[in-house]
Order: sequence, then structure tokens, then C-alpha cells
Amino acid sequence: EAGVTQSPTHLIKTRGQQATLRCSPISGHTSVYWYQQALGLGLQFLLWYDEGEERNRGNFPPRFSGRQFPNYSSELNVNALELEDSALYLCASSSGQGGYHSNQPQHFGDGTRLSIL
Amino acid sequence: SQKIEQNSEALNIQEGKTATLTCNYTNYSPAYLQWYRQDPGRGPVFLLLIRENEKEKRKERLKVTFDTTLKQSLFHITASQPADSATYLCALAGFTGGGNKLTFGTGTQLKVEL
Repeated sequence: EAGVTQSPTHLIKTRGQQATLRCSPISGHTSVYWYQQALGLGLQFLLWYDEGEERNRGNFPPRFSGRQFPNYSSELNVNALELEDSALYLCASSSGQGGYHSNQPQHFGDGTRLSIL
Repeated sequence: SQKIEQNSEALNIQEGKTATLTCNYTNYSPAYLQWYRQDPGRGPVFLLLIRENEKEKRKERLKVTFDTTLKQSLFHITASQPADSATYLCALAGFTGGGNKLTFGTGTQLKVEL
């Protein structure tokens, strides 16, 4: 089966610009998660979408937003880019079980490397 | 505040030996714990999941223990190989009001030498 795919692989922006990152989950997975992995800080949870709705949000400012489409793919938008937004942005997907998703492993893509100049 | 600690120093071991990685947590009551492997420039890959009511889980050369009293998980790789060299991440989740949210540790880099 095809894994989680993310695009673009690399993205270079300047301060103040807006970035859009895309993610296609594994077929059959309804949940999509976004994480930020900055150097030395580990994976930080950003957003969780399931069935088109935002279910949970990490401790990030509102300029980080996203959405999930009817086909379960997802977009992460970052507005007013700042230098500290430079990081690897990872998307993961998982399937649900009886309405609970929290006992399922997450399957990650290889990320989008966002560089802010 | 909730905290997950993994040894930030790299672990160097010889091929064939058992590698043991530690994950400690505080101010957390996880329903389950997961371990992932991450190679440079790649996304994490799921390895094992263990629930709060399980003491030990095995998969091939991998073994995970989960002690909710000590608030600690140990991850073992037996008969280690150079191909096992990677960063290993532990992640915790519980049934919070917002549902599934995995909190990751910063990972431990393992290097298996010939």
C-alpha cells in the first residue's frame, strides 16, 4: 500500500510570506496529524484532523492552521512566516477503531523541509 | 508540566550486543506508549505499542517494557546490527478530552559499531 505522501519536499520562503504544505494519508485512514520538528526540539504536535474536523491543537499560534478535505488529504498553512518556523513538518495518518483513534500507531511521511530566509 | 525524558547522549554499542534505551516521564498517566525509529531526513517509523496494563511486548529482536509505577519504559534491541543505527523516539498518549495526541520524547541516537 502507498504510504503517507507529503509535498513539496523542500520549501524556501522569506519572512512574512505564507506557506502551504500538503499531505495525503494512507488509503482508508481518516485521521491526519501535523508535527513540527525543529532542530534539537523533537517532534511538537501541531494539529489533528479527523473526518474533516479539527479535533485537537497543540500550543502554536493561530497563524498555524489547516484543513482536511473530503478525501482525507490535508493542508497545513503557515501565515506571516518567522525565522523560527524553519523546521521539518511531518504529517502522519492513522486508522480508527470503534471511534477511538488513540490506540493506533501513526504512519509518517518524510516531511516538508521549510526554510525561512 | 508533562515531561518525557530520553537520554540525549548517543548510545554506542558493539554489533551483537543488546542495546537498552530508556524513556522516563513525569506528570503523565499515559494509556499507552509507542516507540518509533527515525533515520536522518526521514519520518519516524512505528515499531511497537504497549498498553498501560501490559508489562512487556516483544517483536522479533525488539522488546519493550512499561512500568507505570516507575513511570518508565525500556526499549531493548537484542543482537544489534549496524542497520539498527538510528534515533529512537518514545511517545505517550492518553485519552484526553481532545482525543489522540501523541507527545514525543526528543529521542536517543543509537550507533551500532562493527
